[in-house]
Amino acid sequence: QSVLTQPPSASGTPGQRVTISCSGSSSNIGSNTVNWYQQLPGTAPKLLIYSNNQRPSGVPDRFSGSKSGTSASLAISGLQSEDEADYYCAAWDDSLNGLVFGTGTKVTVL
Amino acid sequence: QVQLVQSGAEVKKPGASVKVSCKASGYTFTSYDINWVRQATGQGLEWMGWMNPNSGNTGYAQKFQGRVTMTRNTSISTAYMELSSLRSEDTAVYYCAADPYWGQGTLVTVSS
Repeated sequence: QSVLTQPPSASGTPGQRVTISCSGSSSNIGSNTVNWYQQLPGTAPKLLIYSNNQRPSGVPDRFSGSKSGTSASLAISGLQSEDEADYYCAAWDDSLNGLVFGTGTKVTVL
Repeated sequence: QVQLVQSGAEVKKPGASVKVSCKASGYTFTSYDINWVRQATGQGLEWMGWMNPNSGNTGYAQKFQGRVTMTRNTSISTAYMELSSLRSEDTAVYYCAADPYWGQGTLVTVSS
């Protein structure tokens, strides 16, 4: 059972901005950094954002991350059809002494 | 280029064990921790544990304590994840990951 809560779905038209939230607690997001992963249908997850707001090489700057308190957010600006995927947040949990993932958000491009 | 190549799909009976391999290339194997993550069909991602390929140190999710073992062979840059006492709920795709690099996934099916 995931301890990080995300909305099950989000959607937007091409060019719009979409934001996905990730709600946790003081033992995970509140005290550790957040990563975001993109999973296209039928493929392995891909690291999209690390350390709250850093993009690995090759990730477009349309993707941005932020963190405040015990919540984090992923924003996709200039939404494109290829952004249609599942998105997961993740953070280390000090109480569980393990990595926890969010429940996942399916982004649909209308 | 950096690659993590996993072993092929497995079909196991309940109670059996499975060992999935993850061969790294294109980088220094001992430089990055390896995490194992699984995903049941239509479900989210579930972290199983991590291993430091240099020291061999491991950390397992509480849910899998006593059932999972993560090891490595540094001479062939390969990490292994063994899960025992398999049950139907263990049917899933298993991934190894050394962020930002992920393996392609290994489907493990547990069925009588």
